[in-house]
Amino acid sequence: SQQGEEDPQALSIQEGENATMNCSYKTSINNLQWYRQNSGRGLVHLILIRSNEREKHSGRLRVTLDTSKKSSSLLITASRAADTASYFCATAPGGGNKLTFGTGTQLKVEL
Amino acid sequence: SAVISQKPSRDICQRGTSLTIQCQVDSQVTMMFWYRQQPGQSLTLIATANQGSEATYESGFVIDKFPISRPNLTFSTLTVSNMSPEDSSIYLCSVDGDFTDTQYFGPGTRLTVL
Repeated sequence: SQQGEEDPQALSIQEGENATMNCSYKTSINNLQWYRQNSGRGLVHLILIRSNEREKHSGRLRVTLDTSKKSSSLLITASRAADTASYFCATAPGGGNKLTFGTGTQLKVEL
Repeated sequence: SAVISQKPSRDICQRGTSLTIQCQVDSQVTMMFWYRQQPGQSLTLIATANQGSEATYESGFVIDKFPISRPNLTFSTLTVSNMSPEDSSIYLCSVDGDFTDTQYFGPGTRLTVL
């Protein structure tokens, strides 16, 4: 079963706009990760936020984590057509290294 | 970061046959993971493979259907046995990152079963 539910399932925006996607999870975590997948290929790790962190930045990415609500958000600022991909949150319930992935958000950035 | 390759990148197979997918890493790693991604779905962990021991399978996956080998610290194979159209998926291997909780993924094997 999926640990994380993501919304929206699909998101279409214009280049230059910001994209926000949300992830909710069910159990306690040590960290939460975001991955990107282009066209059904391998996953690329984007960013990891630990349970004692509330916000983290990496380039155009901003991730927040609210452990009281068991939710996280990924913001991509000034989006580009190359950001078109599926984005997944992932957690390791129980603190192990077996990742459980969210349902994913399909982002389309149009020129 | 680890560089991971998978073979084949894609295949079309007949039902009832088996396909072995290879995963090669450019450095020695303790744990390797195999995931399945059904069409339009998220990733589901099939099993964890440690060198020198039996793979550990997740609920819903069994060794007879998905036998795994892990002969050394840089290589693993996943076999999809007695395939049916429901096995059509992308199969991905991954490894733990050094000193981090992240994972590095191979490019995936896209399997279509007719």
